Amino acid sequence: QVQLQESGPGLVKPSETLSLTCTVSGGSISSYYWSWIRQPPGKGLEWIGYIYYSGITNYNPSLKSRITISVDTSKNQLSLKLSSVTAADTAVYYCAGSTVTTGAPYNWFDPWGQGTLVTVSS
Amino acid sequence: DIVMTQSPDSLAVSLGERATINCKSSQSVLNSSNNKNYLAWYQQKPGQPPKLLIYWASTRESGLPDRFSGSGSGTDFTLTISSLQAEDVAVYYCQQYYSTLYTFGQGTKLEIK
Repeated sequence: QVQLQESGPGLVKPSETLSLTCTVSGGSISSYYWSWIRQPPGKGLEWIGYIYYSGITNYNPSLKSRITISVDTSKNQLSLKLSSVTAADTAVYYCAGSTVTTGAPYNWFDPWGQGTLVTVSS
Repeated sequence: DIVMTQSPDSLAVSLGERATINCKSSQSVLNSSNNKNYLAWYQQKPGQPPKLLIYWASTRESGLPDRFSGSGSGTDFTLTISSLQAEDVAVYYCQQYYSTLYTFGQGTKLEIK
């Protein structure tokens, strides 16, 4: 069973770069498209972007100028970098997978990591 | 972007009664080439990530109690819980994957009356 674990600083200063890592265990990183999704406290879900192990990426246009998603297949990890953060970027950040066996990227998100709260504040 | 709009925003239902959550997409998410609706439903409890319930609009995830069902096609979809249990208290989200600019509904908070 594939498990995901997000990690990274819980506090980032305004204008700096948010950096998070998601470690994949229990399955092949090449079997999924990997997305980052965020959820501001008390609010809904926003898809940020995805990456496939081959390096194919797709980003939400609303965030595209500030996002870099990368993958390290040797470490079974994916990473998110979000630059020039503001308080509006405060959220729980999730990584989630979409399995290629059921048609990714045109399919649902499962599994999900537990999420990590990132607060943007000075 | 495909905008997903859920109704109601919140819902209080008595234990054992039916709960119905609606989701409307701003454009059809039905793929005519395979006759599949590219829509999923998730359940999120406090402090937890979303949990996949239903995909292809009506296919239940393995192990999901059969009191949960999804229906609809095109632009209008429904998640129904036939007999509400205490453990069903959560926020429910719909999500379209017809476009890879994936979008979610704003969520419906389900409570016990």
